[in-house]
Amino acid sequence: DTEVTQTPKHLVMGMTNKKSLKCEQHMGHRAMYWYKQKAKKPPELMFVYSYEKLSINESVPSRFSPECPNSSLLNLHLHALQPEDSALYLCASSQLLQREGRDGYNEQFFGPGTRLTVL
Amino acid sequence: GQSLEQPSEVTAVEGAIVQINCTYQTSGFYGLSWYQQHDGGAPTFLSYNALDGLEETGRFSSFLSRSDSYGYLLLQELQMKDSASYFCAVRDQGSARQLTFGSGTQLTVLP
Repeated sequence: DTEVTQTPKHLVMGMTNKKSLKCEQHMGHRAMYWYKQKAKKPPELMFVYSYEKLSINESVPSRFSPECPNSSLLNLHLHALQPEDSALYLCASSQLLQREGRDGYNEQFFGPGTRLTVL
Repeated sequence: GQSLEQPSEVTAVEGAIVQINCTYQTSGFYGLSWYQQHDGGAPTFLSYNALDGLEETGRFSSFLSRSDSYGYLLLQELQMKDSASYFCAVRDQGSARQLTFGSGTQLTVLP
């Protein structure tokens, strides 16, 4: 299984709603990431988990709350979002270690994303 | 911090060869990657260079010159399906697990 899955594919929510985005991988990767991507822009890193522990939080507002229940799952809990938070939210995973001349952190596997619209 | 520069748009015809350049500035360096993203799709890893030289994977090749802080992605025998955005990305030693992406190059392949 070389796939990262994300649910839901599309999400529309009001500013007072609470919702969660889910991500799953079964490649045995021990690093998982959340990115935010606006149209015609590159992905922007939000959070990095390694060995199920949060290792990087790129100054993301507290209305975004990540969770890593186990090595295969990654959630992003959303609360009191703003319209400017509308974007494509991408989950990715990677190996942690270098092996055979490859670098895990450089080679990330992305899920299809959740298209979020905040009204 | 890191910064990357790549052209915003490139246009070529089917069967041609195109080169997408990327220059970067980092406080350290731990590899240059390339990703492809079709409209509405997810980024897909294409290649990674940690050392100087050319890496070839089928129709795609990637080159790195660490002394020049420069790399490029070479796409040969272009096909319509190669129309997509292409991002270079760097990981530097200061950021550990973080990839920083360039602004992306929109490649349009014409028939």
